[in-house]
Amino acid sequence: QVQLQESGPGLVKPSETLSLTCSVSGGSISSYYWSWIRQPPGKGLEWIGYLYYPGNNDYNPSLKSRITISADTSKNQFSLKLRSVTAADTAVYYCARSAGSYYDRPFDSWGQGTLVTVSS
Amino acid sequence: DTVMTQSPDSLAVSLGERATINCKSSQDVLYSSNNKNYLAWYQQKPGQPPKLLISWASTRESGVPDRFSGSGSGTDFTLTISSLQAEDVAVYYCQQYYRTPHTFGQGTKLEIK
Repeated sequence: QVQLQESGPGLVKPSETLSLTCSVSGGSISSYYWSWIRQPPGKGLEWIGYLYYPGNNDYNPSLKSRITISADTSKNQFSLKLRSVTAADTAVYYCARSAGSYYDRPFDSWGQGTLVTVSS
Repeated sequence: DTVMTQSPDSLAVSLGERATINCKSSQDVLYSSNNKNYLAWYQQKPGQPPKLLISWASTRESGVPDRFSGSGSGTDFTLTISSLQAEDVAVYYCQQYYRTPHTFGQGTKLEIK
């Protein structure tokens, strides 16, 4: 059974870059679609974007100008970079997998999530 | 973007009673070529990630109790819990995966009356 684990700094200063990594075990990232999803405290879920190795990405237009999602197959990890953060980017960030090797599938596996706070 | 609107925002139901949550999408999520609705339901308990309960609007995931059922087509969907148990207290989200950006409803908080 696939397992996902997010890691990265819990505190980021305004205007800096938020960087998170999702480590995948129990399955290869060289198949399936892998997404980042975030949830501001006490609020709902927002899909950030996905990656399909070796080179298919799609990002939420609301964030597209600020994000990059990339893969490191040697470590079986994928990463999120969100540039020029503000307090509005404070959220729990989840990595998740789409069921089956298609982008148009629900998210059947999730990491536990990591809280990132944007504050000086 | 496809906007997903859930109702109600919160719901209090007695143990053993039926709970019904509605979800409406701003665009059709039924793909005519395969007659499938690209609609999922998730359950999220405090401090946990969402858990996929139902996909394709009405297909329960493995291990999900049969008191959970999904129905609807096109733009209008319903999640029903036939007999509420204490462990069902959670926030429930619908999600469309027909087109990107994938979008979620705002959530419905289900409590015990």
